[in-house]
Amino acid sequence: QVQLQESGPGLVKPSQTLSLTCTVSRGSINSGGYYWSWIRQHPEKGLEWIGYIYYNGDTYYNPSVRSRVTISLDTSKNQFSLKLNSVTAADTAVYYCATGRESFDPWGQGTLVTVSS
Amino acid sequence: QSALTQPASVSGSPGQSITISCTGTSSDVGGFNYVSWYQQHPGKAPKLMIFEVTDRPSGVSNRFSGSKSGNTASLTISGLQAEDEADYYCSSYTTDSALVVFGGGTKLTVL
Repeated sequence: QVQLQESGPGLVKPSQTLSLTCTVSRGSINSGGYYWSWIRQHPEKGLEWIGYIYYNGDTYYNPSVRSRVTISLDTSKNQFSLKLNSVTAADTAVYYCATGRESFDPWGQGTLVTVSS
Repeated sequence: QSALTQPASVSGSPGQSITISCTGTSSDVGGFNYVSWYQQHPGKAPKLMIFEVTDRPSGVSNRFSGSKSGNTASLTISGLQAEDEADYYCSSYTTDSALVVFGGGTKLTVL
């Protein structure tokens, strides 16, 4: 089964861009049929699906962040990335990468991103 | 406010069975067989326990089972064990443009 690992800054200033990378191991990111998703969990709260990118590059985003988000693939590094711009404190959360579209399995371990000056 | 409604907490004694409900609408839970359940221990990532309402991924104990009636899905855990104490989240495909919605989570306490 593929394994996923998030990486990126743990602290982002308000109005700046949050950038995270998910490294995929034990599998190829451009294998047919895989959806690669980002999901976040606000402190002490529930889960929110952010969006996915298909192995062919097609994307779909949650309307709650659609105007601010970009998910992209880097097949040379077997990675996919999340960029969320114009962040505010409301974007403080644990960010997970995961495989899937309607259901998600497996997940990365998650990375906490705090938005603060 | 989450799109799917779950009880905030449930509890049970070792060996007992418990059921966690997940209520949505005909636009999500009631309209499609794409309900999933996740288990999350403190400080850990969620783990898929049930997908497509009733199916278990390889390696998940058969003590976990899923079902659906109308707009409400349910997760049943039989033969409760101490290690089952965790937060549980449901999710569903939705015709809302959000595509996937989650419940607010249920904290399971094993007494």
